[in-house]
Amino acid sequence: KAGVTQTPRYLIKTRGQQVTLSCSPISGHRSVSWYQQTPGQGLQFLFEYFSETQRNKGNFPGRFSGRQFSNSRSEMNVSTLELGDSALYLCASNSQGADNEQFFGPGTRLTVL
Amino acid sequence: QKEVEQDPGPLSVPEGAIVSLNCTYSNSAFQYFMWYRQYSRKGPELLMYTYSSGNKEDGRFTAQVDKSSKYISLFIRDSQPSDSATYLCAMSLAPSNTGNQFYFGTGTSLTVIP
Repeated sequence: KAGVTQTPRYLIKTRGQQVTLSCSPISGHRSVSWYQQTPGQGLQFLFEYFSETQRNKGNFPGRFSGRQFSNSRSEMNVSTLELGDSALYLCASNSQGADNEQFFGPGTRLTVL
Repeated sequence: QKEVEQDPGPLSVPEGAIVSLNCTYSNSAFQYFMWYRQYSRKGPELLMYTYSSGNKEDGRFTAQVDKSSKYISLFIRDSQPSDSATYLCAMSLAPSNTGNQFYFGTGTSLTVIP
């Protein structure tokens, strides 16, 4: 079974630009969560999607948004990029079955110049 | 108070040592407990998963959950240089229609010296 895939793996943008990151969950997983990871703040929860609906949202500004498609693939968008948005963005999928395990993708490393 | 507390280390041990990593938590409703291993510049890899209390063993790794003390542990026996990574604990409530959020510790950086 293929794991969680994320594209692109690396991205360099400048301040003020916007960026869209993509995530394909494990086949059959309908729950997708996004996280931001930085050395100073650790792993911070952005949002969770299930069946195309956002169910939970972390404490991030409205510049961070996401969506999920009918095939469970998900995208997140960051508008008006700031230097502080430089981070590893991780997507994780979960079957929400009897075993509530969450599996991560390799991440997208975003650098904002 | 954070939902999950984890000593960030760093922790440095000689090869072959037994490593003990720990997390405490505040929400007694947590039911699912996980340990992740994360190598530098990679995504976290699910290492151990436990439901409710008890022990689980997988090769050199043992996960323990003590719900009465709100304390979870990961033991690594016969540690190897390849175990050098950051270890994250995570936990969650029972998933529901309203959400399935996971709560993470800050991670403990481990170095195993050959």
